[in-house]
Amino acid sequence: DAGVTQSPTHLIKTRGQQVTLRCSPKSGHDTVSWYQQALGQGPQFIFQYYEEEERQRGNFPDRFSGHQFPNYSSELNVNALLLGDSALYLCASSLTGGDQPQHFGDGTRLSIL
Amino acid sequence: GEDVEQSLFLSVREGDSSVINCTYTDSSSTYLYWYKQEPGAGLQLLTYIFSNMDMKQDQRLTVLLNKKDKHLSLRIADTQTGDSAIYFCAASYGSGNTGKLIFGQGTTLQVKP
Repeated sequence: DAGVTQSPTHLIKTRGQQVTLRCSPKSGHDTVSWYQQALGQGPQFIFQYYEEEERQRGNFPDRFSGHQFPNYSSELNVNALLLGDSALYLCASSLTGGDQPQHFGDGTRLSIL
Repeated sequence: GEDVEQSLFLSVREGDSSVINCTYTDSSSTYLYWYKQEPGAGLQLLTYIFSNMDMKQDQRLTVLLNKKDKHLSLRIADTQTGDSAIYFCAASYGSGNTGKLIFGQGTTLQVKP
């Protein structure tokens, strides 16, 4: 039973560029959430996707956008990258209407130069 | 608002019990979680408790919830050096098990041989 998988594991970009991160949820899960974890901090909620639509959003600018595909996988896009976007980006999946907890992937480490 | 706080550091001797504490501000939280993060890794779900429960035990782990005081604790019995990691408390807000998670800053547990 595959868990949550994220790609790539590491990424280096420069300021002003755009980046796309990918997430495949745990088998049987239909809901994907994205979190940003800056160094030394706890993760912060970016947004959540369910039925291919954004269901909830945290306090992040519009430069952060996402998408969910019919197979429940998801992408996180960040435009006009800033140095402060350097972080570990974590994806979590769950099953809406179930009673099981959210499971996280190993994350994508994004470094902005 | 929604906020979660944890002490930043705990040091114990191998074989002792560890108790990590967490407080949260918004009592509408539905689920409360404990995650473990090792260096360079993602978040590993340790255990969780539904907000209408007082206690949950899972092998060496015991979670206590005092809803009146909005206080959550994680006790690790017979702590081992492999338990050294950062432990995050998280409160879930919104739709059941898929609500957004609000994390504390993490407690670094150091286990001395």
